[in-house]
Amino acid sequence: GEDVEQSLFLSVREGDSSVINCTYTDSSSTYLYWYKQEPGAGLQLLTYIFSNMDMKQDQRLTVLLNKKDKHLSLRIADTQTGDSAIYFCAENGDDYKLSFGAGTTVTVRA
Amino acid sequence: EAGVTQFPSHSVIEKGQTVTLRCDPISGHDNLYWYRRVMGKEIKFLLHFVKESKQDESGMPNNRFLAERTGGTYSTLKVQPAELEDSGVYFCASSQDRATDTQYFGPGTRLTVL
Repeated sequence: GEDVEQSLFLSVREGDSSVINCTYTDSSSTYLYWYKQEPGAGLQLLTYIFSNMDMKQDQRLTVLLNKKDKHLSLRIADTQTGDSAIYFCAENGDDYKLSFGAGTTVTVRA
Repeated sequence: EAGVTQFPSHSVIEKGQTVTLRCDPISGHDNLYWYRRVMGKEIKFLLHFVKESKQDESGMPNNRFLAERTGGTYSTLKVQPAELEDSGVYFCASSQDRATDTQYFGPGTRLTVL
């Protein structure tokens, strides 16, 4: 099966940049996703990147994809308290079901 | 446009009881998925419907789980009889076009089996 690995915790000071890393094993992934889960809420699609792209930027979010190393990262610029959440990396194989990591809990401290 | 909705938001039942979870996908979305997150681990795929047909149920844990999508609209996931290890958060997602593959998730149902 597909494996997606993420670090479990990240603590960052308000105003700094956060970088969340993810590695995956399925080389047939078409899209890679970042989902955000705030306390008591569901999964919110944050952004996604097509597998033939290296980078995607969307306001404070920057996604970097290194397909050779099967490494995906999400950078959040100017991290705010509202960015405290669990961030899930996910990828789809050729069968379209998503494989998720265990989630990175991001804590923003003042 | 309404998002994916799930009911109930929480359910606490005793081992051996039956529970039915419901998911209403985004209107017009033919694809519906069920996922589960157990004990703070990764979110795992359970099954995939295209309209009323089960396309892939390879993630269903065992025959105590039964999913239906009569009429191709909302879906139910029944657990009978529930066991302790079934506790977790059950997410539903829908997508319009398999080729685009962007899945939109509901808020989840937190199931606790005592």
